[in-house]
Amino acid sequence: QKEVEQNSGPLSVPEGAIASLNCTYSDRVSQSFFWYRQYSGKSPELIMSIYSNGDKEDGRFTAQLNKASQYVSLLIRDSQPSDSATYLCAVNMWNQAGTALIFGKGTTLSVSS
Amino acid sequence: GAVVSQHPSRVICKSGTSVKIECRSLDFQATTMFWYRQFPKKSLMLMATSNEGSKATYEQGVEKDKFLINHASLTLSTLTVTSAHPEDSSFYICSARDPLQGRGINEKLFFGSGTQLSVL
Repeated sequence: QKEVEQNSGPLSVPEGAIASLNCTYSDRVSQSFFWYRQYSGKSPELIMSIYSNGDKEDGRFTAQLNKASQYVSLLIRDSQPSDSATYLCAVNMWNQAGTALIFGKGTTLSVSS
Repeated sequence: GAVVSQHPSRVICKSGTSVKIECRSLDFQATTMFWYRQFPKKSLMLMATSNEGSKATYEQGVEKDKFLINHASLTLSTLTVTSAHPEDSSFYICSARDPLQGRGINEKLFFGSGTQLSVL
């Protein structure tokens, strides 16, 4: 069973704090990992992609990948109220049609001012 | 970046009718398109993978006779919800790969804006 697991939250942090979002996945051979942000009624928006073990930083966002532990995380520094959204972890997994992006159920982040 | 256009954005229909949703890649040729559905406060669930010129590959539990997918050209895939019922009410999202933007693990996926289907 191809699965991507996330804590659904809600995760509440005050403005300016660091928000930490976590994700685990079941397929050991997966190579591509993504974090998307989604607002209600909208399609997902890509925030970060990561392919190698370690950290990848982009502005206030840092993605971390540990393939041995099958674990991906997203850190948001200096959280802003505008960061309040649902964050979806997605993993590219093999299926009978090739590869497809499998999503976790998302973590709802609420940043209070 | 590549643009995927999805129409309609919202549709309300009566139970028993069929609804067609279109997904177009506007500035690239999408050999592969994906269809997802999302219930309120739930994740995107992959319904099927659609390769141009061949039959769609459906995920386990998705009724292929209920959700007809056609990918007749490199820029258009359609999802038809046949004999829709209230339980089919959901947010449907298409996505497409642009094979010229990244290879292998670096392939990029582009999403349509989604279709909110409400079946009365």
